[in-house]
Amino acid sequence: DAKTTQPNSMESNEEEPVHLPCNHSTISGTDYIHWYRQLPSQGPEYVIHGLTSNVNNRMASLAIAEDRKSSTLILHRATLRDAAVYYCILRPYSGNTPLVFGKGTRLSVIA
Amino acid sequence: GAVVSQHPSRVICKSGTSVKIECRSLDFQATTMFWYRQFPKQSLMLMATSNEGSKATYEQGVEKDKFLINHASLTLSTLTVTSAHPEDSSFYICSARESGTANTEAFFGQGTRLTVV
Repeated sequence: DAKTTQPNSMESNEEEPVHLPCNHSTISGTDYIHWYRQLPSQGPEYVIHGLTSNVNNRMASLAIAEDRKSSTLILHRATLRDAAVYYCILRPYSGNTPLVFGKGTRLSVIA
Repeated sequence: GAVVSQHPSRVICKSGTSVKIECRSLDFQATTMFWYRQFPKQSLMLMATSNEGSKATYEQGVEKDKFLINHASLTLSTLTVTSAHPEDSSFYICSARESGTANTEAFFGQGTRLTVV
């Protein structure tokens, strides 16, 4: 599986925007970039995904570099409820394959 | 949105006993479900792929006779931890997605915290 690299941890102030980076230099042309987050003692939840173009949804925005070797998850206004581990995952366009989780970035939000 | 329900959320069992964890897709059918476990401060590790109507596929290092998986219907997969030992204490999580293309989001259960005493 193509690997991703994320910082171990990041910190943000409440109400401020947060940019969570992810490097995936070995991404293949058919890999989708997925982001999930895991709140404490819960299963992961879907945040956003994209292929080439930037994506926006009610939770976040995903900015994808032109060469697709990196991406950034953007939380526009961090809240205390956004404190979680954020996982950047590549998933190939090839059937029902499982998500393979790396270590993710632990985001702390300070009030 | 689609929901995956996992039961129980917490279980404590004695060493040597077996524990069954259920994973249900509530409003969609899932021919494939995935089981993960997560130790404290670590990431999720894929244990096995559960296939409806056929045998599960286990990841390297996961004992198929210890972690029994049954996927008898399109909405239910079960994981049974047999002869549990304290080292099996972990957070077990299931996942499912509706059949479709690779860009379909995956839904996760709320997890089961297993403690073996």
